[in-house]
Amino acid sequence: DVKVTQSSRYLVKRTGEKVFLECVQDMDHENMFWYRQDPGLGLRLIYFSYDVKMKEKGDIPEGYSVSREKKERFSLILESASTNQTSMYLCASSTTRQGLEAFFGQGTRLTVV
Amino acid sequence: AQSVTQLDSHVSVSEGTPVLLRCNYSSSYSPSLFWYVQHPNKGLQLLLKYTSAATLVKGINGFEAEFKKSETSFHLTKPSAHMSDAAEYFCVVSGTGRRALTFGSGTRLQVQP
Repeated sequence: DVKVTQSSRYLVKRTGEKVFLECVQDMDHENMFWYRQDPGLGLRLIYFSYDVKMKEKGDIPEGYSVSREKKERFSLILESASTNQTSMYLCASSTTRQGLEAFFGQGTRLTVV
Repeated sequence: AQSVTQLDSHVSVSEGTPVLLRCNYSSSYSPSLFWYVQHPNKGLQLLLKYTSAATLVKGINGFEAEFKKSETSFHLTKPSAHMSDAAEYFCVVSGTGRRALTFGSGTRLQVQP
């Protein structure tokens, strides 16, 4: 089974802190994604990466950055956390060979106070 | 550009009655279409996917969806609802040139005893 693992299920951080969310996948997928999920808005794409050191902005990249130094790991960085970044964050991976079906981690619920 | 519209934010059915969750899509390319399900406090799970083969797609747990190009629809159905079907359902589209999936805003399915 494909496994996508997010490092934390729950995080509480203070406004202004730098926050790192980590994601690891074990299926050698070339594509990795970060989404945020908010009630009534579905999942919105923050950033994605299609190869090591390659990244593209999604629909809502403001206030976030990403890092992909190894194929299996994709990090989301909140440079200076704000309360409007309180949300559920979902990591996913996919491969073009499988028709872009994405496999998701369990999510990290981040609260910024 | 591609987009997905889920026509109902909430659907309530009685156990044993049919389920219909409606989805319309917009895509400049021949799309791949997916339905994902998210149970409370769980990650997203793929229910089924359409990738230009048969227009009627069968998924897990008795769900199926029909791709109708003329109506740009991909509605999800199940003949008989079960209590365990209560969850949030997302209609999702991907298309050539964008590796990331575009999510609808979700439909919350309630199943009454």
